[in-house]
Amino acid sequence: DTGVSQDPRHKITKRGQNVTFRCDPISEHNRLYWYRQTLGQGPEFLTYFQNEAQLEKSRLLSDRFSAERPKGSFSTLEIQRTEQGDSAMYLCASSLAREEEKLFFGSGTQLSVL
Amino acid sequence: DAKTTQPPSMDCAEGRAANLPCNHSTISGNEYVYWYRQIHSQGPQYIIHGLKNNETNEMASLIITEDRKSSTLILPHATLRDTAVYYCIAHNYGQNFVFGPGTRLSVLP
Repeated sequence: DTGVSQDPRHKITKRGQNVTFRCDPISEHNRLYWYRQTLGQGPEFLTYFQNEAQLEKSRLLSDRFSAERPKGSFSTLEIQRTEQGDSAMYLCASSLAREEEKLFFGSGTQLSVL
Repeated sequence: DAKTTQPPSMDCAEGRAANLPCNHSTISGNEYVYWYRQIHSQGPQYIIHGLKNNETNEMASLIITEDRKSSTLILPHATLRDTAVYYCIAHNYGQNFVFGPGTRLSVLP
């Protein structure tokens, strides 16, 4: 069990630029989640996949955000035309569908939009 | 998911039991009580969950009141490594986890 891996750990970008984050889940996990966390708050759900299908998206996920999980393995989260309000920690988690209560989180990607 | 209420912060002496309370007075019959924790610079980590019976695992014990309106997470012998934010979540299978601000536990030497 190598755990959930996220890359990069930190990203600094200028307002208006596009950024992409990658998440590699635990290999046998068929569910993958994206959360966003701001300072002092708990993580907020953004979207989740079961295998390659994106099954749910939060209202927080504006049109500038897109997530993919092309072969049911790794996932990418892209933010287009970044805004300062996008600055946050982006967390990825994975789980087995039959054990959905046990989410395994990565260490996150800290995004700073200047 | 039902709303949960936790104290924003608590201190505990190293080696003593840490008792973290959580109120969930509007919990529904299908909702489980979950606890996760988040150590600084890491993602949240699952600790334990239960429906109405008390539960224990290698990390902690979960005590749920008979009316299920509140619960307590017990770390029997807190260590410095247990310093973290602890989240109590009332959650129904098939729904997404809703994390509140949690309780920041500081274990003091």
